[in-house]
Amino acid sequence: DTGVSQDPRHKITKRGQNVTFRCDPISEHNRLYWYRQTLGQGPEFLTYFQNEAQLEKSRLLSNRFSAERPKGSFSTLEIQRTEQGDSAMYLCASSPFPETNTEAFFGQGTRLTVV
Amino acid sequence: AQTVTQSQPEMSVQEAETVTLSCTYDTSESNYYLFWYKQPPSRQMILVIRQEAYKQQNATENRFSVNFQKAAKSFSLKISDSQLGDTAMYFCASHSGNTPLVFGKGTRLSVIA
Repeated sequence: DTGVSQDPRHKITKRGQNVTFRCDPISEHNRLYWYRQTLGQGPEFLTYFQNEAQLEKSRLLSNRFSAERPKGSFSTLEIQRTEQGDSAMYLCASSPFPETNTEAFFGQGTRLTVV
Repeated sequence: AQTVTQSQPEMSVQEAETVTLSCTYDTSESNYYLFWYKQPPSRQMILVIRQEAYKQQNATENRFSVNFQKAAKSFSLKISDSQLGDTAMYFCASHSGNTPLVFGKGTRLSVIA
């Protein structure tokens, strides 16, 4: 297993366009997390899944954001009608459950720039 | 909801010296886990050390150790014999089986030669 994979690594989009990011977790991990990180700040929790069930969404996740994990494997995060404030690094992480003493493993992130 | 607070935005340390990064947390869960992650400049987030809340013994990983004070909800990271490669953002994080992994805002550590 090559770890958590995110695609694309970089995305530049015009304001108002829709974008979709993909995350492939470590294959045996049933928990998958999405975070947003701006420069010099900590990762802000957006949402997480256990298998295909979305367990929790942050208040940060406006109705322009939607995430799916249809078969409990890969996940997508879509941002509709992007705004300049959406520019950030979007991080995906996965972890096994119920082995909660195991850390989450992170991907390299997708850097979004909205122009 | 869980919260994690890191009160030191930036710190610096001379090479080979020891530095301690602070973290406090709040949770209503009785069983939870605490982590320190490292994020080098433009690189991936990786785990430094973990602590299970039910264990009284402080975790140690080579030059890295924690001071876990459960009653005070404090979880500090000590880095001994600091090396230039330790320069990074350090994030304290917490989760339980019922809550997602939540991070503090981070401490930027610079190791000076």
